[in-house]
Amino acid sequence: DAGVTQTPRHEVAEKGQTIILKCEPVSGHNDLFWYRQTKIQGLELLSYFRSKSLMEDGGAFKDRFKAEMLNSSFSTLKIQPTEPKDSAVYLCASRLTDSNERLFFGHGTKLSVL
Amino acid sequence: AQSVTQPDARVTVSEGASLQLRCKYSYSATPYLFWYVQYPRQGLQLLLKYYSGDPVVQGVNSFEAEFSKSNSSFHLQKASVHWSDSAVYFCALRWGGGNYKPTFGKGTSLVVHP
Repeated sequence: DAGVTQTPRHEVAEKGQTIILKCEPVSGHNDLFWYRQTKIQGLELLSYFRSKSLMEDGGAFKDRFKAEMLNSSFSTLKIQPTEPKDSAVYLCASRLTDSNERLFFGHGTKLSVL
Repeated sequence: AQSVTQPDARVTVSEGASLQLRCKYSYSATPYLFWYVQYPRQGLQLLLKYYSGDPVVQGVNSFEAEFSKSNSSFHLQKASVHWSDSAVYFCALRWGGGNYKPTFGKGTSLVVHP
């Protein structure tokens, strides 16, 4: 079974650059989530889509973070401009429906901003 | 406000010892509760989940968790740990009321000494 696929696995950016992270959810899943993971804060929700509609955009992350679902099988997370404090692991997860509660996670993209 | 608290950032045990990882939640209704595990350089994987019924739920790899409404807790337990159980464990709660987004605790890093 194809799980959640995230690319790239690692990304190195200079401060001020624009980066785009990609995610392919499990085929047929309706819900998609983007999380930022750090040791201090744990998992912070960036965006939540249901059937391609944005349900939540993560409040504090609005100004430089923008997630989109171009179609039901592909999502991107754009960070513009990047800052060193954005260095973290970015996780994408999908879920069949809200009645099927399990999330399937990708391996994540490790972002380093210099 | 709804929240999940894992009071122990790191737990160290010897192989063969019993284990309890603590999770407390704050939620006005009966929650969906989950435990996920994250092995190094991987995404999160579901260990077990609870919504109703028997407060003791069994999961993969001999893990179990006990729900306590009176204590607002959902502690993870294992009778005898193996070195391969070393990982980060996350407790999570799924909101209801039409939103259905998951909220995660900050995680507990488990180190099992051989």
